[in-house]
Amino acid sequence: EPEVTQTPSHQVTQMGQEVILRCVPISNHLYFYWYRQILGQKVEFLVSFYNNEISEKSEIFDDQFSVERPDGSNFTLKIRSTKLEDSAMYFCASSPRRTVGNGELFFGEGSRLTVL
Amino acid sequence: AQKITQTQPGMFVQEKEAVTLDCTYDTSDQSYGLFWYKQPSSGEMIFLIYQGSYDEQNATEGRYSLNFQKARKSANLVISASQLGDSAMYFCAMREVLNTGGFKTIFGAGTRLFVKA
Repeated sequence: EPEVTQTPSHQVTQMGQEVILRCVPISNHLYFYWYRQILGQKVEFLVSFYNNEISEKSEIFDDQFSVERPDGSNFTLKIRSTKLEDSAMYFCASSPRRTVGNGELFFGEGSRLTVL
Repeated sequence: AQKITQTQPGMFVQEKEAVTLDCTYDTSDQSYGLFWYKQPSSGEMIFLIYQGSYDEQNATEGRYSLNFQKARKSANLVISASQLGDSAMYFCAMREVLNTGGFKTIFGAGTRLFVKA
């Protein structure tokens, strides 16, 4: 069964460093998302991406964050200068075109980011 | 603005009994989707069930059913015949259609379910 894959599964970085989290969504999906979950807390929406542009972003998704779909398969989240409070699990998700299924999100297994 | 509320931070249920996890939502959209996801201790997010705002019947998927009361804006998850493997965090979520053509799904704070043997 096709799945969303994320790399790395865990990354440790120093405060102020740039981090890139990578995702390969399911190949025929059209809608892509990043979510963040601080340990034990709710799953927070960061950004949705459709038709090669951001559809919507949350207030969390400030200028430090950016997303890219550079080659038609990868979907990346970049954090330009990490802060301690960026430590969290980052989930990538995708969903198929509207007329297929219920539009549920297919999640990757997450990338745990630890900022020291 | 959309909002999802799960008022039960934790719930206990005896194995083989049914349990209801509460979810209320707030939206001004006419067309929206409601979802429940399960997050076991391993961390992955697992889709359980979906209810469309125009669906007249309550959704069911095996032991999961969604008690959809549109006028009250509630979408409670009912798990029948609980099993030990049902112990997990459960998130209610709502999807809206964006003007830009995409979707946005937001999540409630979650309810941690503990199934007792």
